Amino acid sequence: NAGVTQTPKFRVLKTGQSMTLLCAQDMNHEYMYWYRQDPGMGLRLIHYSVGEGTTAKGEVPDGYNVSRLKKQNFLLGLESAAPSQTSVYFCASRRDVSYQPQHFGDGTRLSIL
Amino acid sequence: ILNVEQSPQSLHVQEGDSTNFTCSFPSSNFYALHWYRWETAKSPEALFVMTLNGDEKKKGRISATLNTKEGYSYLYIKGSQPEDSATYLCASLNNAGNMLTFGGGTRLMVKP
Repeated sequence: NAGVTQTPKFRVLKTGQSMTLLCAQDMNHEYMYWYRQDPGMGLRLIHYSVGEGTTAKGEVPDGYNVSRLKKQNFLLGLESAAPSQTSVYFCASRRDVSYQPQHFGDGTRLSIL
Repeated sequence: ILNVEQSPQSLHVQEGDSTNFTCSFPSSNFYALHWYRWETAKSPEALFVMTLNGDEKKKGRISATLNTKEGYSYLYIKGSQPEDSATYLCASLNNAGNMLTFGGGTRLMVKP
């Protein structure tokens, strides 16, 4: 049971390049989340999804897009990367029961030069 | 977006010491409070999900209490061990039950 898997683990981009981060979960969870983690800032929610085909904005959505075409996958896209998007990105998933914890992936370290 | 704060930001203790830290959150429209343990180079792992005022949960040497009326939760570690060194995150669930707002975390370092 792999849980939540993030791809890639590391990436370096140049300003203006685009890329997609993939999150896959094998727990049949309805809810999926993308966070970014910056020093001194804790985890901040970028976008989330409450089911296949749905997405919603979190606390810091600007500069990012997401898609949930399949229940098990949640994609985070950067259309035109900026240095301010240098961060560690975490994906998480949860059952559709409010009092359940979130399960996190191992993170993707992204550097924008 | 909820305002969740944790204190202290960091804490150094000796092996064997007991310690505690605080999470404060808005008491109005409270839904649930989560605690996670986050070791360096790993992903956050859930410790507790707490919902009821006065609730107390325990996992081994770690326990947590919840006061929803005044908007705070305490995490206690009894007899700290070096392997307890980690960042401890709390997060408050919004009243729609779909979004967590995390505090900045308390980084605990336990010296042998």
